[in-house]
Amino acid sequence: GQQVMQIPQYQHVQEGEDFTTYCNSSTTLSNIQWYKQRPGGHPVFLIQLVKSGEVKKQKRLTFQFGEAKKNSSLHITATQTTDVGTYFCAGPKAAGNKLTFGGGTRVLVKP
Amino acid sequence: NAGVTQTPKFRILKIGQSMTLQCAQDMNHNYMYWYRQDPGMGLKLIYYSVGAGITDKGEVPNGYNVSRSTTEDFPLRLELAAPSQTSVYFCASTSPQGTGSYGYTFGSGTRLTVV
Repeated sequence: GQQVMQIPQYQHVQEGEDFTTYCNSSTTLSNIQWYKQRPGGHPVFLIQLVKSGEVKKQKRLTFQFGEAKKNSSLHITATQTTDVGTYFCAGPKAAGNKLTFGGGTRVLVKP
Repeated sequence: NAGVTQTPKFRILKIGQSMTLQCAQDMNHNYMYWYRQDPGMGLKLIYYSVGAGITDKGEVPNGYNVSRSTTEDFPLRLELAAPSQTSVYFCASTSPQGTGSYGYTFGSGTRLTVV
């Protein structure tokens, strides 16, 4: 079945530094979504990418969808303590828009 | 708008007991989902529904049941609770493709411990 994998599992970042987290799917995706979950909270939808090679920005967050639509990345610049949390990517399965979630990248920020 | 509301927020069950996790949304979303999240892990789909009266199994449906009698409500039933069902349960909803944002709106979750 469809698998979505994320690396790294953990990301320790010094405040002010940049980092990138990666998402890889075993199958071609019609779109990919990213979510953020704060510690003790629930996942919150960040963005959806649909087109091959698409790049979208949200302030300090840059999301990219791969040309083959099988991978994606999230790049955060000038990391802040508010960026702490787990970032999940998710790809849809056929009917019912069922999402398969990756295992997440847990981001810890050192002040 | 309240979005997706889950009750209860916390619950401790004894092995063999049953309970219903409630989920309600006020966004007129047709699609609703139940996921479970084990500590430090991703989310796994238990059941989903594409509209009132229609439900289907996800990846990990064993030990659970659902019903969808209205668009708004999608309760999850646990029968004969087992320690393996200790998890955080999230309900989510979304609108069908072509009607706007496709992302899920999640509820705040139910933290269940089975002892």
